[in-house]
Amino acid sequence: DVVLTQSPATLSVTPGERISLSCRASESVDTYLHWYQQKPNESPRLLIKYVSQSISGIPSRFSGSGSGTDFTLSINGVALEDLSVFYCQQGHSLPFTFGAGTKLDLK
Amino acid sequence: VQLVESGGGLVQPGKSLKLSCSASGFTFSSYGMHWIRQAPGKGPDWVAYISSTSGIVYADAVKDRFTISRDNAKNTLYLQVNSLNSEDTAIYYCARDYSSYMTNWFPYWGQGTLVTVSS
Repeated sequence: DVVLTQSPATLSVTPGERISLSCRASESVDTYLHWYQQKPNESPRLLIKYVSQSISGIPSRFSGSGSGTDFTLSINGVALEDLSVFYCQQGHSLPFTFGAGTKLDLK
Repeated sequence: VQLVESGGGLVQPGKSLKLSCSASGFTFSSYGMHWIRQAPGKGPDWVAYISSTSGIVYADAVKDRFTISRDNAKNTLYLQVNSLNSEDTAIYYCARDYSSYMTNWFPYWGQGTLVTVSS
């Protein structure tokens, strides 16, 4: 199975700053890498698909980059509503797998 | 797209449960469906998939104990879970494919149903 390692586990942020979250795959997943946001007591919400493709209704401050095994989710100007957990997910091979998540909290 | 899971609860180790996912707002028979679970404090964990033509794939960890099925007449997806153990404690979500063929990302999720395995 493809293992996705996310770092850091927790990131303390100040509203307005630009941040980057990392996701590293144990083998190449090409561009089959997707990002989700999960707020407390909610289902995960798709943020970005295929590394960098935007999703309708998702704020433009979210962007993604990377290829192969190293990927980044960037938030350009963190908002208070972004305080949540972010997961990466690979769709390159079955079983589809998710990372353990990066939690954003307030500095 | 609306997906509503049910059937979770507190169950003793070794017992069974049947989870349901009621779908509405789209032509259920035209889409593949997934079950994804999430243990407390962990990332999501993909469990199983059934295509619109009832082709099935399981994660190795559950393939001998879980059975995914669908009833297109009732617009309902099911997951039969047998021989439950503490590691099966999780919120179980159903999720719909984006299109009529298997997609490898999950744009539509239900709200989940909690399964707690404990004596």
